[in-house]
Amino acid sequence: DGGITQSPKYLFRKEGQNVTLSCEQNLNHDAMYWYRQDPGQGLRLIYYSQIVNDFQKGDIAEGYSVSREKKESFPLTVTSAQKNPTAFYLCASSYRQGGDSYEQYFGPGTRLTVT
Amino acid sequence: RKEVEQDPGPFNVPEGATVAFNCTYSNSASQSFFWYRQDCRKEPKLLMSVYSSGNEDGRFTAQLNRASQYISLLIRDSKLSDSATYLCVEGSSGGSYIPTFGRGTSLIVHP
Repeated sequence: DGGITQSPKYLFRKEGQNVTLSCEQNLNHDAMYWYRQDPGQGLRLIYYSQIVNDFQKGDIAEGYSVSREKKESFPLTVTSAQKNPTAFYLCASSYRQGGDSYEQYFGPGTRLTVT
Repeated sequence: RKEVEQDPGPFNVPEGATVAFNCTYSNSASQSFFWYRQDCRKEPKLLMSVYSSGNEDGRFTAQLNRASQYISLLIRDSKLSDSATYLCVEGSSGGSYIPTFGRGTSLIVHP
């Protein structure tokens, strides 16, 4: 069964603590992404990685960090510097369908609550 | 800055109705477009790609109008299970594939 897994599904943390969200894919996709979604809002890009050992900041990278040591894995750390960390975090991966066309698929998400 | 605009709705329709959503995009160089479906508190799931010639998948039809820079999604014979938020996505590459998502259009199908 190929897909993207994220764990845990729900995560609760105290303010001031760093927390790492897991994302694993066995689709052999090169590119991986992290998004944040707040209630009633669209998806906002945090970080993305096109290849192993390389990643780029998205629109809202402040207070977050990532690593891409393996093709299958793209963990996201939410640091204590992130002002409003409570949100729904979605990991995605994409592959080149052909020509200039790509398709992107999402994991089930992690719902983080920080109090 | 690339933008994708959608009417947030909600669109409230009875079962069996036909409903259409439009979405406008700002990047005239965009090459690929998609519709995703997102259920409440779940991840977005790819519904269909949108091709220049238009494409159909069962009750769903997607169309692209490059001149006016919009894409549309038509749902025929609406089912209760079609109730969800529909996200419009514009994807351009130029090296790195970074899609731009609309905020979504909410559809509620009632009995």
